[in-house]
Order: sequence, then C-alpha cells, then structure tokens
Amino acid sequence: DQQVKQNSPSLSVQEGRISILNCDYTNSMFDYFLWYKKYPAEGPTFLISISSIKDKNEDGRFTVFLNKSAKHLSLHIVPSQPGDSAVYFCAASAKSGTYKYIFGTGTRLKVLA
Amino acid sequence: ETGVTQSPTHLIKTRGQQVTLRCSSQSGHNTVSWYQQALGQGPQFIFQYYREEENGRGNFPPRFSGLQFPNYSSELNVNALELDDSALYLCASSLSAGDNSPLHFGNGTRLTVT
Repeated sequence: DQQVKQNSPSLSVQEGRISILNCDYTNSMFDYFLWYKKYPAEGPTFLISISSIKDKNEDGRFTVFLNKSAKHLSLHIVPSQPGDSAVYFCAASAKSGTYKYIFGTGTRLKVLA
Repeated sequence: ETGVTQSPTHLIKTRGQQVTLRCSSQSGHNTVSWYQQALGQGPQFIFQYYREEENGRGNFPPRFSGLQFPNYSSELNVNALELDDSALYLCASSLSAGDNSPLHFGNGTRLTVT
C-alpha cells in the first residue's frame, strides 16, 4: 500500500523555466510533509517542509504547496538551474505515529541548459 | 558541525551471512532512523532509535535489528541475508523523536547480497 505517491518518474525542464513536481498521499492523518533532493552516491538532502496548518511555504527558489482536500502537494522550483538535476522525494509523517517518514518513489528532474 | 557518517560505503555478502552497518549521528541529534532504498524505490522505514530504545518499526522482519549507543551512534544488523536485502541502507539522524525534525541523511551503505 503506497501511502505517498509520485506518479511522474521523470521530468525535463529548460533552464530558467519552472519545475513542478507533484506528490499525492492517501493517509489523512499525515500532518507534516517534506521534500528531499538526492544526487547519485549521496544521501537525500532536506529541501523544504510544510505543516498541514499551512497551504504554502517558500524558501528562495523553492515553494511547496499543500492541498489537503485533494491530498496533494507540489514543489515549484523557479527558476530551474542545471544544478537542480536530481531525484526528488516527497515524504510525509503523522503526529499520531512515531514520526517515521513515509517516502514516495521519487521523480528524476533533468534541467536542460 | 559533523554530519551523519556511515560505514562501510560498500559491502558484498553471501546469502545466509550476517552484516552490521554503522552510523554516527549529526552532532546534537539524539534520534537515529534507518531506511532501506531498493533500486528505483523511495527509502523504506526500517526502525528508529531514541535514547537507546527502539521507537517505531516499519514492515521489516525480526532478522533486521538495531542498537543505539550512549553517544547516539547506531548499528543496523541483518541476519540470514537474502538476495532481496541488496539495497542502499540509509541512516538519518534528527534533533528529537518527539517533533517534526527533518531527517539528515548519511550517504548510505550499498549492500550487495550474492
């Protein structure tokens, strides 16, 4: 049972344009969401998070949007840069649990110069 | 500030053997979580340790076990290795088990079981 889903395995975007990565979840108890970026041969690196009490959180070029009614979140990267090329994972956790994070399967972003 | 370090970086074992993977948490972090990442998949939660006690476990059999030491470093032990155990094993530390602290990951140990 995949509670966190990233339905697009890959995405290609031109440098300077917006990258939009999507994530859907099924568990309504999830109340905290994060995005991680992973380069080859490295561990995932934390990018940005959002609590369920908010619908938007912004950090520089990265913005995460949360639509609780649709159980959907998205990560916007503007403008996209070649260095953003990586695999992006969304993750979710529920306060009622043990704060373990459930990860999606990832989306490989390629930013074309 | 020292980040999360894992050892070894690569390991090859034979089916049926046992393996121990090690992790040093980031300075100031008292919680360690272990994840298994199979090829093409996202990280799967194995278990979490907080103050030397297991504080949550994912859907992994008992042959996956762990320890946390007083200095918050941790070990993951896997007994009776199976071919499907081949994966990247990621250790992550966080400030506390009791809040939504982001996980800080190490670079992982790549385990190959033949």
